[in-house]
Amino acid sequence: AQTVTQSQPEMSVQEAETVTLSCTYDTSESNYYLFWYKQPPSRQMILVIRQEAYKQQNATENRFSVNFQKAAKSFSLKISDSQLGDTAMYFCAFMGFYNQGGKLIFGQGTELSVKP
Amino acid sequence: DAMVIQNPRYQVTQFGKPVTLSCSQTLNHNVMYWYQQKSSQAPKLLFHYYDKDFNNEADTPDNFQSRRPNTSFCFLDIRSPGLGDAAMYLCATSLGAGANVLTFGAGSRLTVL
Repeated sequence: AQTVTQSQPEMSVQEAETVTLSCTYDTSESNYYLFWYKQPPSRQMILVIRQEAYKQQNATENRFSVNFQKAAKSFSLKISDSQLGDTAMYFCAFMGFYNQGGKLIFGQGTELSVKP
Repeated sequence: DAMVIQNPRYQVTQFGKPVTLSCSQTLNHNVMYWYQQKSSQAPKLLFHYYDKDFNNEADTPDNFQSRRPNTSFCFLDIRSPGLGDAAMYLCATSLGAGANVLTFGAGSRLTVL
């Protein structure tokens, strides 16, 4: 069974600085998808970034980038130039390549606070 | 523009009193999911509909049921809520077979007294 582990329950960062959120996962599959989702307080969960395991190049979306280390089963999220609006719970998630009913397996989450 | 809308956003019920949570979507996605997110825990899939086909997770309690009368709507019924069912319930949608991006609603927070 797949598992996702986020070892940092809470983190804080000063506005405009860079922060890295850690995620490790366990799977026996060779092809899969990895995601970072953001859940602001009392608001809907939204996709931040997605990585296909068969792609070696790390995904990037504006200020958000990942460091995908397939052999180490590590998938960290780097937020550059942190903004107050980045304050949220961040979930790392795994999905098998063959979708398996769209089942996302989430980590426990990291609560990020961006301080002015 | 809200595309996956959940109602109510907050629901308070008494122990054992049935409750229904609703989810509607304007995306015309054919797959709809219900996730349970307990406090400080990871969201966990309860079940999903692929079109009209219902798919239950093996460890979802019988107390939880779902209905999907049409493409746009999906309901979560909790027949006899217990204190352990207090959680945020998240509805999500996706399009097509092999779709890997889910669109989530804002959630319905259930309190059981």
